[in-house]
Amino acid sequence: DTAVSQTPKYLVTQMGNDKSIKCEQNLGHDTMYWYKQDSKKFLKIMFSYNNKELIINETVPNRFSPKSPDKAHLNLHINSLELGDSAVYFCASSLLGNQPQHFGDGTRLSIL
Amino acid sequence: GEDVEQSLFLSVREGDSSVINCTYTDSSSTYLYWYKQEPGAGLQLLTYIFSNMDMKQDQRLTVLLNKKDKHLSLRIADTQTGDSAIYFCAEMNTGFQKLVFGTGTRLLVSP
Repeated sequence: DTAVSQTPKYLVTQMGNDKSIKCEQNLGHDTMYWYKQDSKKFLKIMFSYNNKELIINETVPNRFSPKSPDKAHLNLHINSLELGDSAVYFCASSLLGNQPQHFGDGTRLSIL
Repeated sequence: GEDVEQSLFLSVREGDSSVINCTYTDSSSTYLYWYKQEPGAGLQLLTYIFSNMDMKQDQRLTVLLNKKDKHLSLRIADTQTGDSAIYFCAEMNTGFQKLVFGTGTRLLVSP
């Protein structure tokens, strides 16, 4: 019974394609996040949602569109994938915006 | 602005203590966190400290916070080979409700 689960774990695709990553949490948390970890392991927030409402959009290109159908899910759709999008994408959740965040296992996206 | 710095690498022998250091710039941080990332895995929350505390101990882990110097450290007692991982400190920017991560310290524990 994984707390924060992401699918798929690995995603290999070609430049220009559109892809989605799904995230679900069963912790009953109100806030969910997407982070990007680059090849140097640097982690940076992309988005956060509180109870389906966008709270943070950290100057991410508009090719990235998060969608939260309910507070337990935050999906990430990426259009027109570029080589620089290759990274590990982590989903996280917290009870409230200032509480400890719990992370999923990540989705490793590789663009050919 | 927000900036969180860590040394990149630490190597210790099994059984020794490890001390991982972190400095941050945002004086309005209310919570500071330590996360562990093993190869190919996600981030595991190890411990956290509220900014009005100066020390927190949790089994083999001791967190020290010097708020005046904006310095945070994580001490791992009796370090084991299974502790080998990347350790990230992170500060909670309360105003924007986001975590700002450090650059990560890769800990290598040799037998």
